[in-house]
Amino acid sequence: EVQLVDSGGGLIQPGGSLRLSCEASGFSVSDNYMSWVRQAPGKGLEWVSLIFGAGDTYYADSVKGRFTISRDISKNSVYLHIDDLTADDTAVYYCARQQSSGWALNYFDFWGRGTPVTVSS
Amino acid sequence: QSALTQPASVSGSPGQSITIFCTGTSSDVGGYNYVSWYQQHPDKAPKLMIYDVSNRPSGVSNRFSGSKSGNTASLTISGLQAEDEADYYCSSFTSTSTVVFGGGTKVTVL
Repeated sequence: EVQLVDSGGGLIQPGGSLRLSCEASGFSVSDNYMSWVRQAPGKGLEWVSLIFGAGDTYYADSVKGRFTISRDISKNSVYLHIDDLTADDTAVYYCARQQSSGWALNYFDFWGRGTPVTVSS
Repeated sequence: QSALTQPASVSGSPGQSITIFCTGTSSDVGGYNYVSWYQQHPDKAPKLMIYDVSNRPSGVSNRFSGSKSGNTASLTISGLQAEDEADYYCSSFTSTSTVVFGGGTKVTVL
């Protein structure tokens, strides 16, 4: 059974850093496209970052330079490191498995339950 | 990349059919058949309902159907049921090799 368990969120002061974790089971993260998607309170979904293949990474323009996605194949896990947190980063962060169609990024077929991040002093 | 445009809310009575539209551009919805739809109940993770414009994953009711015309995709829910009350998001691949979501539509069952 495919399962994603995301964790690591919490209350963080502005300017702080955080590492979110996503442990996968039922499939290998090394063979799949893995993304992070966030949702600010009362707002819509926003794709944030992707890791795939040999470790290639993509980021939304809004987070480039502050977000780093990585993975540990031995732990079948994906991580999102966030630096210099601001109030705008307050959101629920979801880990999701993403399908591709050839060279094109496609749908998200499995999602974690989400881990909430609140940036406040 | 701008978010895809969805109506903020759509409502219908039990048993009726409703359609949610998702409007983009030729650089996303209109340019690729990689449109997907997600259902999200309050405080829950999104759930894939439609992929590749009109395909249903295993386990999703056939009351849900998708289509596309030009730069606009649509999700139709037929035989509306109370459990269908949720937020719905569309998503598309884009010409900048990213994925963009719509702003979301709240479906209310009257």
